[in-house]
Amino acid sequence: EVQLVESGGGLVKPGGSLRLSCAASGFTFSNAWMTWVRQAPGKGLEWVGRIKTQADGGTTDYAAPVKGRFTISRDDSKNTLYLQMNSLKTEDTAVYYCTTGYYDGSGASGHWGRGTLVTVSS
Amino acid sequence: QSALTQPASVSGSPGQSITISCTGTSSDVGGYNYVSWYQQHPGKAPKLMIYDVYNRPSGVSNRFSGSKSGNTASLTISGLQAEDEADYYCCSYTGSSTEVFGTGTKVTVL
Repeated sequence: EVQLVESGGGLVKPGGSLRLSCAASGFTFSNAWMTWVRQAPGKGLEWVGRIKTQADGGTTDYAAPVKGRFTISRDDSKNTLYLQMNSLKTEDTAVYYCTTGYYDGSGASGHWGRGTLVTVSS
Repeated sequence: QSALTQPASVSGSPGQSITISCTGTSSDVGGYNYVSWYQQHPGKAPKLMIYDVYNRPSGVSNRFSGSKSGNTASLTISGLQAEDEADYYCCSYTGSSTEVFGTGTKVTVL
C-alpha cells in the first residue's frame, strides 16, 4: 500500500524558512516523479512544483509564485521528498500535500499524503 | 500561468448526469492530453478520478468519465449519487513543464 506522510509544518514568521519532509513507502520511490501541491484555507488546489527521477535527470519545475524561494529535493536512499521554503510570505499559508504520479513518469497525482499545515504569520 | 476556468457550482438530482467543464488555452488543456480530475471531500485529501483526459484509475466508478474538445476538458458524472457531493478540480500539464489546477467546482446533489 502506497503511503505518503508529510511532516515539518508549523507556524513561521514572514521572511522565515521551513523545510517539509515527505516519507514514502509502498512503491519504488526512485522511479516516481514527486510533486508538492498546496491548498490555502478555504481555497482551491495549487500546484507548487515537481521533481523528476534521477533517470529522468532529477530536474525540478516550480510554479511562478514560489520559483526562486522554494526548492524541491529528494533522497532516494531514504525514500524521502523535501520542500525547502525560504522568504515565506503570508500567502504561503496552506496545507501542503506530497503526491506521487499514478504511473512512472506520470504527472497525474495518483497518491496523496494527508498534508501538513504551514502558517505564515507575525 | 492562470488557473483553468471551472464553473463555481453544478448541481443535479440523484440518478441524473452532470458535466463539469474546464477551460484553458492551447498552451495547456488544448496542447496536451494530460488532463486529470480530482475529487475532494471536506477535510480530506484529493482523490484522482481521471488521468490523461479519459482514463480511470482502478477502483474509480465507471460513472465517472472524461473528455476533451479543443481547449476545454470535461468530467461527466452519470447516475449521480449522494456520495458524489464534493469539490472537483481539473489539472493540466502546461507548455512550461508545469501543471495548473482549475478553479474548482462544488457539486451538490439535490
